Amino acid sequence: GAVVSQHPSRVICKSGTSVKIECRSLDFQATTMFWYRQFPKQSLMLMATSNEGSKATYEQGVEKDKFLINHASLTLSTLTVTSAHPEDSSFYICSARGEAVVQQFFGPGTRLTVL
Amino acid sequence: DQQVKQNSPSLSVQEGRISILNCDYTNSMFDYFLWYKKYPAEGPTFLISISSIKDKNEDGRFTVFLNKSAKHLSLHIVPSQPGDSAVYFCAASIISGYALNFGKGTSLLVTP
Repeated sequence: GAVVSQHPSRVICKSGTSVKIECRSLDFQATTMFWYRQFPKQSLMLMATSNEGSKATYEQGVEKDKFLINHASLTLSTLTVTSAHPEDSSFYICSARGEAVVQQFFGPGTRLTVL
Repeated sequence: DQQVKQNSPSLSVQEGRISILNCDYTNSMFDYFLWYKKYPAEGPTFLISISSIKDKNEDGRFTVFLNKSAKHLSLHIVPSQPGDSAVYFCAASIISGYALNFGKGTSLLVTP
C-alpha cells in the first residue's frame, strides 16, 4: 500500500506555544489530505479536509484559527496547533487519498502533549 | 452525533475460532464501508472494504458482510490468530465526499 509519513512522532510543548505537524505522502500524489484527532478511548474524529492548493474545510466545532492547515503541494500538508493548551493534548493522525480513490492511507500519528 | 457505531468496546476470542466484529450506521447515504486495524500509537491500516452494491466481500481470512436494510455490517476473521489482536475500526463514507466517519473501535484479543 501507499506510504504516508508524519513528523514528529511525538512532541511535548509548553502551554501557549505553537506546534507544527507535517504529513507527507511518499509514493503517490495526495489530492486530498485529512486530519484526525483521537482522544483516549475515543474514535478517530475528523478535524478537517484539505485539497491541494485550496483552503481546508473544517468540521463543526474545530477552530480554524487554532488549527491552521496548509496543503501547499500534492505530497505535503501541515497542521499547526497555535497557542496550544493542555486540552489540545491528543493523538493527531493524517491520511491521504489520491484522485478518484476512496481509500485513505494513514500516517503513523503524532502524540502531542501540552504541559 | 455518532453516525457509525461499534457497540462492543472489546471482544476476546480463542485462537483458531471465528471473530465477529459488528458495526451499525445511521446515515443511509453511506455507500462505501471500510475496516481498519490499529495498533497502539500507530495509524490505522486498511483491512478490507465493501461498496453498497455488494453484500459480501472476502479477502483471505477476512470477510465483510453488509446488510443495507438493517444498516449493519460485520467483519469475520477466521481462523483468528494472536497477531490479529488490535483495535478494529469500522468506517463509512459517501463516495462523493470521501471523508470517513469512524466508529469508536472494538478491541480484539485473540488468546492462544
